[in-house]
Amino acid sequence: GAGVSQSPSNKVTEKGKDVELRCDPISGHTALYWYRQSLGQGLEFLIYFQGNSAPDKSGLPSDRFSAERTGGSVSTLTIQRTQQEDSAVYLCASSLPIGPFGSPLHFGNGTRLTVT
Amino acid sequence: SQELEQSPQSLIVQEGKNLTINCTSSKTLYGLYWYKQKYGEGLIFLMMLQKGGEEKSHEKITAKLDEKKQQSSLHITASQPSHAGIYLCGADKGSNYKLTFGKGTLLTVNP
Repeated sequence: GAGVSQSPSNKVTEKGKDVELRCDPISGHTALYWYRQSLGQGLEFLIYFQGNSAPDKSGLPSDRFSAERTGGSVSTLTIQRTQQEDSAVYLCASSLPIGPFGSPLHFGNGTRLTVT
Repeated sequence: SQELEQSPQSLIVQEGKNLTINCTSSKTLYGLYWYKQKYGEGLIFLMMLQKGGEEKSHEKITAKLDEKKQQSSLHITASQPSHAGIYLCGADKGSNYKLTFGKGTLLTVNP
């Protein structure tokens, strides 16, 4: 079926505004992840959802960042009062439930966020 | 935290040449993943290695995980322009989901 879908693909916003980034995972994938990719920083883990379990939010850089996942499918990452340092590519990934042998993450094409 | 060092940071080769990219960790890797990324796109899964000494191949790309499970190499045979992109290694820290990634190796293949 279709891969991980993210929208918008590009977002330019003014400093101080709120933004919402959307991720539609692969059907049947119960695990969903958000990563941030900044120039020179590599990929940074933000948050992980697995089924109905409490999400692991340990990677969120500040309380301006939040994410939710409705109905175990679509996820929204919200950044409030955006700052210039929030400019990055935000990548969403999904996978089958993690088992003892791991499960590869399938990534979307990302949302490129630019804060002016 | 588990850091992953990739080398080289960038690589330029002539079409048809072989090349190797390395990924090294200071700690034992529970699982090692190789991904490829083209500009403006997401990461494309290449291979996953879990056992010491494991080796996997797909088309002209071979990945190995050493016996100590602290280093992995990605080897491309007879490179083509389509191989160009950023190669990233990722490893789980034992939690099975919170992957740590290296900073990537930028590969350019000149025709």
